[in-house]
Amino acid sequence: QKEVEQNSGPLSVPEGAIASLNCTYSDRGSQSFFWYRQYSGKSPELIMSIYSNGDKEDGRFTAQLNKASQYVSLLIRDSQPSDSATYLCAVPSWGKLQFGAGTQVVVTP
Amino acid sequence: EAGVTQFPSHSVIEKGQTVTLRCDPISGHDNLYWYRRVMGKEIKFLLHFVKESKQDESGMPNNRFLAERTGGTYSTLKVQPAELEDSGVYFCASSQDRLLLGTDTQYFGPGTRLTVL
Repeated sequence: QKEVEQNSGPLSVPEGAIASLNCTYSDRGSQSFFWYRQYSGKSPELIMSIYSNGDKEDGRFTAQLNKASQYVSLLIRDSQPSDSATYLCAVPSWGKLQFGAGTQVVVTP
Repeated sequence: EAGVTQFPSHSVIEKGQTVTLRCDPISGHDNLYWYRRVMGKEIKFLLHFVKESKQDESGMPNNRFLAERTGGTYSTLKVQPAELEDSGVYFCASSQDRLLLGTDTQYFGPGTRLTVL
């Protein structure tokens, strides 16, 4: 079993709709969770971090964490073509980040 | 403030040759990480420096890989001799404080795309 799992996609989302991305992790002791966005050929960029159960909102992004279910999600509201990218779920473990394979999101006009 | 920079952006070499990748972290960041993404796989950790010391090199694939960070500033990652399976994108990241409680952010460089023929 992989430490961090994501659906690879691609996830096709009409412009203006909500994109929902899921991530599960195996280490029950994990305390923090990150979502990175990576455009093709570019570096991963941190867009959200979440540490407590529940929801955290930042602009059009909402991260949701459920530690009991070992599940973290990212919602992108009012999706724009500029949101087309690969979204990486990352969980720190003793100083290093463990990444999921990433979910490719394609926002269609 | 300048971000993490990596050089070269692309490298194409033949099997058996040597390649050296360089990473310049954000100024003042003590922590420097190397990661690698091979085709179709997730980004995987290679090693972690705190200043000039190797804190964790558990992700290094084998002894063909040698990382250094002399003086605690920039870092180099040498692959000698390169094999076909070494192809991938090598990312460097830096952070100011150790990622203990998840309060620190790792900033990534643009990566070096290595192709071994």
